[in-house]
Amino acid sequence: AQKVTQAQTEISVVEKEDVTLDCVYETRDTTYYLFWYKQPPSGELVFLIRRNSFDEQNEISGRYSWNFQKSTSSFNFTITASQVVDSAVYFCALSMTNTGNQFYFGTGTSLTVIP
Amino acid sequence: DTGVSQDPRHKITKRGQNVTFRCDPISEHNRLYWYRQTLGQGPEFLTYFQNEAQLEKSRLLSDRFSAERPKGSFSTLEIQRTEQGDSAMYLCASSLGLGGISYGYTFGSGTRLTVV
Repeated sequence: AQKVTQAQTEISVVEKEDVTLDCVYETRDTTYYLFWYKQPPSGELVFLIRRNSFDEQNEISGRYSWNFQKSTSSFNFTITASQVVDSAVYFCALSMTNTGNQFYFGTGTSLTVIP
Repeated sequence: DTGVSQDPRHKITKRGQNVTFRCDPISEHNRLYWYRQTLGQGPEFLTYFQNEAQLEKSRLLSDRFSAERPKGSFSTLEIQRTEQGDSAMYLCASSLGLGGISYGYTFGSGTRLTVV
């Protein structure tokens, strides 16, 4: 069975602090994809990153960075120097090639950045 | 606008009524997905189409729910005899599926259903 766990329900940080959002996944497939999405109060899901199971290289995009570790089945997301505009709910998701690529989402982490 | 469009954005209905939502995917996308998101939860998969064929349905899709994608373009999701537990955001997504991989996976802004 496929499952994504985001243990942090809510996080509050003061602006300019760094924050890491945790994601742990479960799957028996060897080929899978991991994603992070941002959902601001307006409701739409904004794509942030996609990684496949064969690429464990960490990635940095501006203030965002992702740490993928297959050994611990984790795909954590760090925001450096957080800003108020980063306030949103962040979802980690998993998809497999043999399921039409439907997503299995975690329950989300609500991030509040306090000015 | 070339994104995924959903209509209506909001729907309030009385318990027991039927409702229908529409999703217009990105035109060149052959796969279309429906998800349901309840308050404080992540989206949950309901069903997906490849062209006009409905290839997978979740256990969450009870007999009161039906989805169609005639001609492989837009899709509709109908809920019959709505219950208060159906109150949720219904999200549509589309992608270009080639074999086991989907490209350009894009979500719409959703239809928020409130059953009173």
